[in-house]
Amino acid sequence: EPEVTQTPSHQVTQMGQEVILRCVPISNHLYFYWYRQILGQKVEFLVSFYNNEISEKSEIFDDQFSVERPDGSNFTLKIRSTKLEDSAMYFCASTLLGGHGANVLTFGAGSRLTVL
Amino acid sequence: GENVEQHPSTLSVQEGDSAVIKCTYSDSASNYFPWYKQELGKGPQLIIDIRSNVGEKKDQRIAVTLNKTAKHFSLHITETQPEDSAVYFCAASNTDKLIFGTGTRLQVFP
Repeated sequence: EPEVTQTPSHQVTQMGQEVILRCVPISNHLYFYWYRQILGQKVEFLVSFYNNEISEKSEIFDDQFSVERPDGSNFTLKIRSTKLEDSAMYFCASTLLGGHGANVLTFGAGSRLTVL
Repeated sequence: GENVEQHPSTLSVQEGDSAVIKCTYSDSASNYFPWYKQELGKGPQLIIDIRSNVGEKKDQRIAVTLNKTAKHFSLHITETQPEDSAVYFCAASNTDKLIFGTGTRLQVFP
C-alpha cells in the first residue's frame, strides 16, 4: 500500500535554529498538507499546498514557517528560527483530490521535533 | 471557524463490549466527517468516514452515525478487541482543512 514517508523521525534542535522537515507524499497525489500535534493535544492544521502554492494556512503558520516542493517528490516544512513552543509531532499528509469537502488524507508517521 | 468537541477523553471497556465515541461540530457547512485511529508512535490512520448526504455507514465492526440537524456524529465499535486500543480522533471539514477533535483514548482490557 502506498505510504507517505517523513524524515527525520526525531530531531532535537536548539532554540533559534532552523529546521527542515521532509516528506515524500504518495506519488500521484496532488494536494499536500502539514499538521502538527503538541504532546497530548489534538492534531492541528498548519498549511495546505497545491499546484506549487499555499492554498490555505492557519494562524499557527506565521512568517517563521515556509513550505516548498523543491522537486517532483519532496515536500518540505521549514521553521526559520525555532521556539520552545514549536516542539511537537509534525505530520505530513497528501491526497489525490482536494477541494470542497476534503477527501481521504493519508498521513505519514510524523517527525518529532524537540526544541531545547 | 469550525470547532469540534469530542467525548469522552478516555474510555475503558472489556474485550467484546461495545465502545461509543461522540463528537459535535459547530459549522453547519461541514460535510465530511472522518474518524482516525492513532497508535503509539504512528500517524493518524483513517478507519471510516461519512459525508453529509448519508446518515449511517458501517464497515464490519465499526459504524458511524451522523445527525446533521443536531450537528453531531458518533463512532461505534462492536465486539471490541485488545488491538482496538488506541487514540481515536474525529474530524470535520468542508474544505481541504480537517478540524480535529481532542481525541479519545480507548483501552480494551482482555
